[in-house]
Order: sequence, then C-alpha cells, then structure tokens
Amino acid sequence: AQTVTQSQPEMSVQEAETVTLSCTYDTSESDYYLFWYKQPPSRQMILVIRQEAYKQQNATENRFSVNFQKAAKSFSLKISDSQLGDAAMYFCAYRSSYTGANSKLTFGKGITLSVRP
Amino acid sequence: DGGITQSPKYLFRKEGQNVTLSCEQNLNHDAMYWYRQDPGQGLRLIYYSQIVNDFQKGDIAEGYSVSREKKESFPLTVTSAQKNPTAFYLCASSADRVTNTEAFFGQGTRLTVV
Repeated sequence: AQTVTQSQPEMSVQEAETVTLSCTYDTSESDYYLFWYKQPPSRQMILVIRQEAYKQQNATENRFSVNFQKAAKSFSLKISDSQLGDAAMYFCAYRSSYTGANSKLTFGKGITLSVRP
Repeated sequence: DGGITQSPKYLFRKEGQNVTLSCEQNLNHDAMYWYRQDPGQGLRLIYYSQIVNDFQKGDIAEGYSVSREKKESFPLTVTSAQKNPTAFYLCASSADRVTNTEAFFGQGTRLTVV
C-alpha cells in the first residue's frame, strides 16, 4: 500500500520570504501522480500544484514550485515571496495512475504553515 | 456553477443513532470519495466509488456505509457501530481514474455526537 509522510507538523515563515514543505512517499509503482493541497481556515481544500511521475521537469505555478526527486521518493513544495494568505494547512497526496482499487487518493497528515507579518 | 455540495454543514447526533451525510456533484465526475479529518491525522479514506453501483472500502470503513445509485450522489451513513464519529467529513470527486485529474472537494460536514 502507498503511504505519504509529512514529518513536520508545523512551520513558520516571514512574509516575503521562501519556505519549503517536505513530503516523502512510499510506493512500488513507477507511474503515479503527486499533489499539494491547501486547506485555509475555511477548510475548503484547494489544489496548489500537481506533478506527473513520468515528467522529469518540476511543476511550477506562479509562486509555488516543487522539487520532485523520484529515486528518493521525495516531493517538496517551495513557496516563494510568502504572503499572509498562504497561511493554511498543506497536504501532500499520492494517486496511482493505474485503474481499480489503487486509484484512490492518499494524503499525508498535513503541515500547518503560519506566516509572520 | 459546477461543483460539489455537502450538506448539512453542521450535524449533531445522539449516541446510538444513524445519520446520513449528503454529497452531490454536478461535474459529471465518475469517481467520488469520502474522507474523515481529525486533528493531527490528516485525511483518512472511508469509502470511494469509481462508477455507479460500485464502491470500495477505504482505510477506515468500519462503522460507515455508502451507496452510489446515481452518478451525481454519494451519501455516507455513519452508523451506531462507529465508536468515535465526531469529526470533520469531506467528500470529493474526480473526473477519471486514469488521467491526471485533480480531486474537487466539498465544503465539509462537521459531525458532533452529543
């Protein structure tokens, strides 16, 4: 079974600075998808960024980028120029590319990010 | 507007009672999911369904039941067998089980046992 690990329960960053959130995963599959979701105080889950495992190029979305290390099974999220609105809980998630029972979306325990003004 | 709707937002249940949480989507998505969120536990999968009239147990299915009679709807029943039902419940859907598509989430239901 696939597992997703976020070992840091909390992090803090100064406004306008850069912060990196860590995520590791365990799988025996070669083809899969990885996601970072944001959950603000409203508790609405919002997709931040996604990465296809077969792509070597790291995904980027404006101030958000990932460092995807497939061999190390690592998928970290970098937030540049942090803003007060980035304060939220962030979840790393894994999804197999195969059909059937393995196509479920598996989440880590999340990390709470606070942004200091 | 297309989206996924959960109701109610807050729900109170007496011990020993069954309660059903509603989840409806108009995104024409095939797959639907139910997650439970507890502090420090992240999102844990309860049940998921990839097509109508079919569903699979997730990691914590005991004490829960679901049905998928229509593509748009995936209700979750929390039964009296669930020993610790107080939690935040999230429903999600996604378009295709093969391609790289994100999961869309509802706004959640906060269930409290009184």
